[in-house]
Amino acid sequence: DTEVTQTPKHLVMGMTNKKSLKCEQHMGHRAMYWYKQKAKKPPELMFVYSYEKLSINESVPSRFSPECPNSSLLNLHLHALQPEDSALYLCASSQQGWGTSGSRAKNIQYFGAGTRLSVL
Amino acid sequence: DAKTTQPTSMDCAEGRAANLPCNHSTISGNEYVYWYRQIHSQGPQYIIHGLKNNETNEMASLIITEDRKSSTLILPHATLRDTAVYYCIVYFKGGSEKLVFGKGTKLTVNP
Repeated sequence: DTEVTQTPKHLVMGMTNKKSLKCEQHMGHRAMYWYKQKAKKPPELMFVYSYEKLSINESVPSRFSPECPNSSLLNLHLHALQPEDSALYLCASSQQGWGTSGSRAKNIQYFGAGTRLSVL
Repeated sequence: DAKTTQPTSMDCAEGRAANLPCNHSTISGNEYVYWYRQIHSQGPQYIIHGLKNNETNEMASLIITEDRKSSTLILPHATLRDTAVYYCIVYFKGGSEKLVFGKGTKLTVNP
């Protein structure tokens, strides 16, 4: 099973709302990722968690707040977003922890289907 | 920035082989070539990866030139469901290197 589950699939929110995106994997993977993808553009990395600790923050605005409550779950808390934040938000996971070498097969990232976010 | 160059789009007839090229002339010795694809409105899907030898799995074959400056992903019998954006990524996992997606190639498989 190589499934990464993201909820909700679609989300519409106002600029004053607080919402959360959820990502779950039960593959025992030690690294989890958030990507943002604007229309007709490639995915761009936002955050990396490794062994439940934040390893990478790609200078993402503080209105996006990631959280990794346990090894299977990754959240992205949203607050005071702007219309330009509307995008597809993708979660991914990989078997090996960030920054560790080893089998290339363990570095493969498995992606969820994404949450399509619209900010009004 | 992405370290790869791919054609913007390609077409292929259903049932024929689809050959997707990728240039990575600045690849270093410890960097691998990974291929992912993204079908419309879905998350990217891993296809295959390689270092210097040709690789084959149930989805595709990867041919890497001897100088490693370019590679070709081959889908041997393309189907309509293979219509997607295909990303070629040069990637070294073991430090702070990240999976950086370029613009990819939009492959359209026609009936």
